[in-house]
Amino acid sequence: AQSVSQHNHHVILSEAASLELGCNYSYGGTVNLFWYVQYPGQHLQLLLKYFSGDPLVKGIKGFEAEFIKSKFSFNLRKPSVQWSDTAEYFCAVKGNTDKLIFGTGTRLQVFP
Amino acid sequence: DTEVTQTPKHLVMGMTNKKSLKCEQHMGHRAMYWYKQKAKKPPELMFVYSYEKLSINESVPSRFSPECPNSSLLNLHLHALQPEDSALYLCASSQPAPGGGYTFGSGTRLTVV
Repeated sequence: AQSVSQHNHHVILSEAASLELGCNYSYGGTVNLFWYVQYPGQHLQLLLKYFSGDPLVKGIKGFEAEFIKSKFSFNLRKPSVQWSDTAEYFCAVKGNTDKLIFGTGTRLQVFP
Repeated sequence: DTEVTQTPKHLVMGMTNKKSLKCEQHMGHRAMYWYKQKAKKPPELMFVYSYEKLSINESVPSRFSPECPNSSLLNLHLHALQPEDSALYLCASSQPAPGGGYTFGSGTRLTVV
């Protein structure tokens, strides 16, 4: 069965700082990988996804993620964060079944 | 239409009540899901329907009863819930594996009193 871990539980940054959130997964086969964002009081929004092809994936709002198969990782990056990026970020993995499994999430706080 | 619509948005129910949550999508997705999300926690998978048949039940208590009347609709029937069942209930849809992306609804915030 697949699993996913996010080691950064709470990240605090100042505006314009660079961001990298870690995501590692465990699964022996082909995976689909996702990053979702959940702003306070709102629903999940898809930031980006990886199915195949170019391992560097660009998403919305200036986010990108890199799939490194040898490290079982799919880290999320943004060169310069804004106060409006304050939210909960979830990495998720799907194997060859219909199960989409979420990591425990990373709470990002950005201060002006 | 690229949305998953959930109703109601908020629901307060007593422990002896029977209520239902509804979910609808018109994207032609053939897999639909129920997730439960507690505050400051990730969504937890409850049920998966694939081609209108229940394919995954993550050992959910029987007080939660899913139903998929057709390929566009998904219900979650609630009966004799406990206060600890209070949570945000999320519906999602996708094309069945492999390779299907997921679309989530806004959720129903359920409070059991």
